[in-house]
Amino acid sequence: SQELEQSPQSLIVQEGKNLTINCTSSKTLYGLYWYKQKYGEGLIFLMMLQKGGEEKSHEKITAKLDEKKQQSSLHITASQPSHAGIYLCGAAPPGGAQKLVFGQGTRLTINP
Amino acid sequence: KAGVTQTPRYLIKTRGQQVTLSCSPISGHRSVSWYQQTPGQGLQFLFEYFSETQRNKGNFPGRFSGRQFSNSRSEMNVSTLELGDSALYLCASRLAGGGNEQFFGPGTRLTVL
Repeated sequence: SQELEQSPQSLIVQEGKNLTINCTSSKTLYGLYWYKQKYGEGLIFLMMLQKGGEEKSHEKITAKLDEKKQQSSLHITASQPSHAGIYLCGAAPPGGAQKLVFGQGTRLTINP
Repeated sequence: KAGVTQTPRYLIKTRGQQVTLSCSPISGHRSVSWYQQTPGQGLQFLFEYFSETQRNKGNFPGRFSGRQFSNSRSEMNVSTLELGDSALYLCASRLAGGGNEQFFGPGTRLTVL
């Protein structure tokens, strides 16, 4: 079965600094999803990547998919307190995204 | 459009009891998936329903079951509750078809005493 490993597991950065979270898959990635979760709450959809080399941005968050490396990265520029939370990557099996496999998550803390 | 809604938000039960959780998907979404989130195991897929039929199932015991109604609303049932069933249960809905993102509800926090 597919497994996703996220690194780092936790991250503390000063407000205004840039940061990167990585997600590495044990198998070929057919679709990669990034979500953000506030503690104990539901997941907020951030971005979906489907093609190797694909890169998407939303406000100050950019995600890339490296198909050959079976890896995705999430980069936040000029971090703000609102970026704090748990970031989760999810992988879709061949055939659809109804059965996502998730990484363990990266807990991001932003210090003022 | 209204988002995915789940009821109740919090639930406390004792071992051996059963529980039913409800999920209303985004209007027009016909696929509903359920996930269990615990500190130890993370987020794990339970099952997915589409057009009132279970299409996919994760590795959970038969005590976990679900159903979907004609209006796409879904319920999840856990019988003979165990302490280890304490978790955040999340449901997600999506449009039919490959590549569409899942939108998650706020979750139901189940505590088993």
